[in-house]
Amino acid sequence: QQQVKQSPQSLIVQKGGISIINCAYENTAFDYFPWYQQFPGKGPALLIAIRPDVSEKKEGRFTISFNKSAKQFSLHIMDSQPGDSATYFCAAPSRKNTGNQFYFGTGTSLTVIP
Amino acid sequence: EPEVTQTPSHQVTQMGQEVILRCVPISNHLYFYWYRQILGQKVEFLVSFYNNEISEKSEIFDDQFSVERPDGSNFTLKIRSTKLEDSAMYFCASSGGTANTEAFFGQGTRLTVV
Repeated sequence: QQQVKQSPQSLIVQKGGISIINCAYENTAFDYFPWYQQFPGKGPALLIAIRPDVSEKKEGRFTISFNKSAKQFSLHIMDSQPGDSATYFCAAPSRKNTGNQFYFGTGTSLTVIP
Repeated sequence: EPEVTQTPSHQVTQMGQEVILRCVPISNHLYFYWYRQILGQKVEFLVSFYNNEISEKSEIFDDQFSVERPDGSNFTLKIRSTKLEDSAMYFCASSGGTANTEAFFGQGTRLTVV
């Protein structure tokens, strides 16, 4: 099974702080790396994604940093808010060029304390 | 906004019984997927489907699983003889016709095998 290694497993951050989640991946068929956010009882929803013709992508308080040579990428949440409390999954494309399927990291449970 | 619809939201079945989980992907999408998530664990890729055939499947997707697109709108996952360890949330997802595109997830079907 293709592996995507995600850390930490859980994270507690004070409101206003920075949350950082890291992922490492194996060879992929194409370069597109999304982060998904999942609230309890809901399906994962795309939060932000990067195509690594750039090393960083920022959308509001969320930033993806990408290191292609190291096969690593990370999610930074600036000014973390209690509403950001959720489980975050990174994902990497399959190594097989047969579709658009992704393998997910193990997830990070983020709790933002007011 | 278009969405992926899954039914039922919760299914309870006896061990050894067959279950069919149903999904209606977004109408103009070409790739369809099933993922599962055991309670508190990561989202695991099961299978992807394109052009009326399986394009990739994981080690989890063994002979007891099958997928079908019986008509132009539905996409189903069949588990032939359920086991206790099949209890999980099953998510259907769909994506457009090219790589580097977002996968949209349904709300999931919670399968409980007793």
